[in-house]
Amino acid sequence: TQLLEQSPQFLSIQEGENLTVYCNSSSVFSSLQWYRQEPGEGPVLLVTVVTGGEVKKLKRLTFQFGDARKDSSLHITAAQPGDTGLYLCAGASAGGTSYGKLTFGQGTILTVHP
Amino acid sequence: DAGITQSPRHKVTETGTPVTLRCHQTENHRYMYWYRQDPGHGLRLIHYSYGVKDTDKGEVSDGYSVSRSKTEDFLLTLESATSSQTSVYFCAIRKQGLLSGNTIYFGEGSWLTVV
Repeated sequence: TQLLEQSPQFLSIQEGENLTVYCNSSSVFSSLQWYRQEPGEGPVLLVTVVTGGEVKKLKRLTFQFGDARKDSSLHITAAQPGDTGLYLCAGASAGGTSYGKLTFGQGTILTVHP
Repeated sequence: DAGITQSPRHKVTETGTPVTLRCHQTENHRYMYWYRQDPGHGLRLIHYSYGVKDTDKGEVSDGYSVSRSKTEDFLLTLESATSSQTSVYFCAIRKQGLLSGNTIYFGEGSWLTVV
């Protein structure tokens, strides 16, 4: 069974601060996705990283996939209250027939105070 | 928007009763999934389907069954609901791209309370 350890579980910061969320595993993933979820809604895809060492930027969000494709990070620069939400990482199995199944981290609840 | 509709969105049911949740998609995707989300556990895969009448178990399949008689609909059934099945249930579909790999899109969720 593949596991994804996501940290921290909770993050409470002031507007304007920077933060990083980590996703780590001992398993290799063919791709890794980051989602953001707001209360009462389904997870919304932010980004998919596929290549080891890949870095993707989405405005103030920077996503990185580890060289060995076992870990990933999400960095938010100058956080805003609108960034508040639950952030989830999810990995797709590498090799074989995975049928697109995802392994999710436990999630990081981010609160950005004005 | 991946064209996913879940129904019902909210349901309260009694222990021991059967419950069926429906997932409907409009984009003809081959792969469909049912996940449940509980505090501290993230999302966990219940069952998935890789085609009409082709389904398989996920990591938390006990107490659940699924059916997919046509491409657009994937049904999740709790044969005899228990309080431990109180959860939020998400349906998802897979879009596959050459550059993006496996990309999973989620529906808006079905909130189930078993009393």
